[in-house]
Amino acid sequence: QVQLQESGPGLVKPSQTLSLTCTVPGGSIRSGNYYWTWIRQPAGKGLEWIGLIYTSGSIDYNPSLRSRVTMSVDRSNNQFSLKLSSVTAADTAVYYCARLSAFNGSFDSWGQGTLVTVSA
Amino acid sequence: EIVLTQSPGTLSLSPGERATLSCRASQSVFSTYLAWYQHKPGQAPRLLIYGASIRATGIPDRFSGSGSETDFTLTISRLEPEDFAVYYCQQFGNSPMYSFGLGTKLEIK
Repeated sequence: QVQLQESGPGLVKPSQTLSLTCTVPGGSIRSGNYYWTWIRQPAGKGLEWIGLIYTSGSIDYNPSLRSRVTMSVDRSNNQFSLKLSSVTAADTAVYYCARLSAFNGSFDSWGQGTLVTVSA
Repeated sequence: EIVLTQSPGTLSLSPGERATLSCRASQSVFSTYLAWYQHKPGQAPRLLIYGASIRATGIPDRFSGSGSETDFTLTISRLEPEDFAVYYCQQFGNSPMYSFGLGTKLEIK
């Protein structure tokens, strides 16, 4: 297991784009054993999977967010990123990045989470 | 879409007692793809169990998972003070590919 670290603005205006980056220690972002994912949790609600990206750049997104989500990977800097466009107050949440095992579908390493508030 | 229903919503127990948490799926889930997590406020969630019954690295053996198809259970044999937290089950399968239950809050009685 590794400790991931999210970074990005904590406040985003409505209709703008939320942008977050996750830094992965060591070189494991290049490993074929894992996918790299984003998960969010609005206050008082459950965890929602947003999407995943593989080291090759292949992606899959939650259908409920697909039209607004873009994920990318930067292997040279051991980072992957999330962009969520046209945000509203409903996108206010703690955003986590997490490592997903390609073998058993479990999230075995997580970041501490970062609160993103959508407000004017 | 597979919906995971966790019960009870809140469980009040004392240290040393046994905790039994339930996760029920609206459709059959491959056991390989059922996991449990522990989440404490302000911390990263921690993987406890994957494959329905396999403890993750470093997880004490007082944690155990069982079940198949639509009914899964997380058992904590003897509660330690550090075990009081929120617990989530999670599955990989139908769209959305990864989904979580709403959690069981385990609180000190």
